[in-house]
Amino acid sequence: QKEVEQNSGPLSVPEGAIASLNCTYSDRGSQSFFWYRQYSGKSPELIMSIYSNGDKEDGRFTAQLNKASQYVSLLIRDSQPSDSATYLCAVKPPPGNTGKLIFGQGTTLQVKP
Amino acid sequence: DAGVIQSPRHEVTEMGQEVTLRCKPISGHDYLFWYRQTMMRGLELLIYFNNNVPIDDSGMPEDRFSAKMPNASFSTLKIQPSEPRDSAVYFCASSLERNNQPQHFGDGTRLSIL
Repeated sequence: QKEVEQNSGPLSVPEGAIASLNCTYSDRGSQSFFWYRQYSGKSPELIMSIYSNGDKEDGRFTAQLNKASQYVSLLIRDSQPSDSATYLCAVKPPPGNTGKLIFGQGTTLQVKP
Repeated sequence: DAGVIQSPRHEVTEMGQEVTLRCKPISGHDYLFWYRQTMMRGLELLIYFNNNVPIDDSGMPEDRFSAKMPNASFSTLKIQPSEPRDSAVYFCASSLERNNQPQHFGDGTRLSIL
């Protein structure tokens, strides 16, 4: 079992729809969770971080965390073609592995006009 | 504020040559990471440093790869001798451990070994 799992996609949604990206992780003691967006040919860019159970909203983006289910998701409302990219889920393991992040393989999102 | 700075942006060289990739982390950050990204394997952590000290190099693929961090503002990743299968995008990232801060990535070096 991979430590951080994402569906590689591609996930295709029409413009204006809600895109839902999902991530599961194996280490129950994980502390912090991050979503990075990576455009083709570019470097990963941090878009959201979440540390406690529940929802965290930032503009059109909402991160959701459920530690009991070991599940973190990213919702993108009113999806735009400019949101088309690969989204990487990253999880920080429990104390003892400070600094390191475990990345998923990424989900490719395509927003069609 | 300046982000993570990597050089060169692109490198094309012939098999067997030595390749040196460079990274300047964000000022004040105490962690530095080297990653490799390919379509087949995704983003792989090669090595990371804390306060200039290597903490985990278990991701370094073989002895041809080496990394150093002589001071808080500079790190190198060296491949000697290079092979075609080393072709990838190499990213450097840095972070500040306090308050669980995330990693910030440089623009990467696109390496092609012919």
